[in-house]
Amino acid sequence: QQPVQSPQAVILREGEDAVINCSSSKALYSVHWYRQKHGEAPVFLMILLKGGEQKGHDKISASFNEKKQQSSLYLTASQLSYSGTYFCGTEKAADYKLSFGAGTTVTVRA
Amino acid sequence: KAGVTQTPRYLIKTRGQQVTLSCSPISGHRSVSWYQQTPGQGLQFLFEYFSETQRNKGNFPGRFSGRQFSNSRSEMNVSTLELGDSALYLCASSPDTGVGTDTQYFGPGTRLTVL
Repeated sequence: QQPVQSPQAVILREGEDAVINCSSSKALYSVHWYRQKHGEAPVFLMILLKGGEQKGHDKISASFNEKKQQSSLYLTASQLSYSGTYFCGTEKAADYKLSFGAGTTVTVRA
Repeated sequence: KAGVTQTPRYLIKTRGQQVTLSCSPISGHRSVSWYQQTPGQGLQFLFEYFSETQRNKGNFPGRFSGRQFSNSRSEMNVSTLELGDSALYLCASSPDTGVGTDTQYFGPGTRLTVL
């Protein structure tokens, strides 16, 4: 079952902040975040594991609320390079199957 | 290290034909996953292989199949192509350092068009 992402799209000016949310109706083992620029492959940003372990980007932060099965990705002091579509992927168990949300399109303008 | 490579990059087929797509993972990566990406459905998980064994698969019909070789290279096959199979097919390799899905390194994809 696909996680639900919100918002679908967001427009920012350089330096502004944004939050992207990812929700699941099922208990989760892990949440993964990727960014895809137009015409390119998705690029890894962050993994958040049940129990609090995180692996990822120094300049991107995220949280994982295990009780609510929700994750949020925080874009702080956005730069033009942050533009792209952000996908969250969820894994219900450690079963090597990622289900991705529909994506959030972020546009950062000068 | 070289990244994930996928061949061919573009493919045009007609309905009813079959197609084989190839993926070479990053050296040392033993896990390979396949995804279908379309504007309407987003990124959909097809299957994952590790050491030549399929560990999981998505909700796709049996026309979609895959395999992995001893050198970790992987192929996916789609038989009896339908118009709805037109999509970008992405392969991702992973170092698989622990339990569960690890960091996915995506290839550039194969753009399949079915006429």
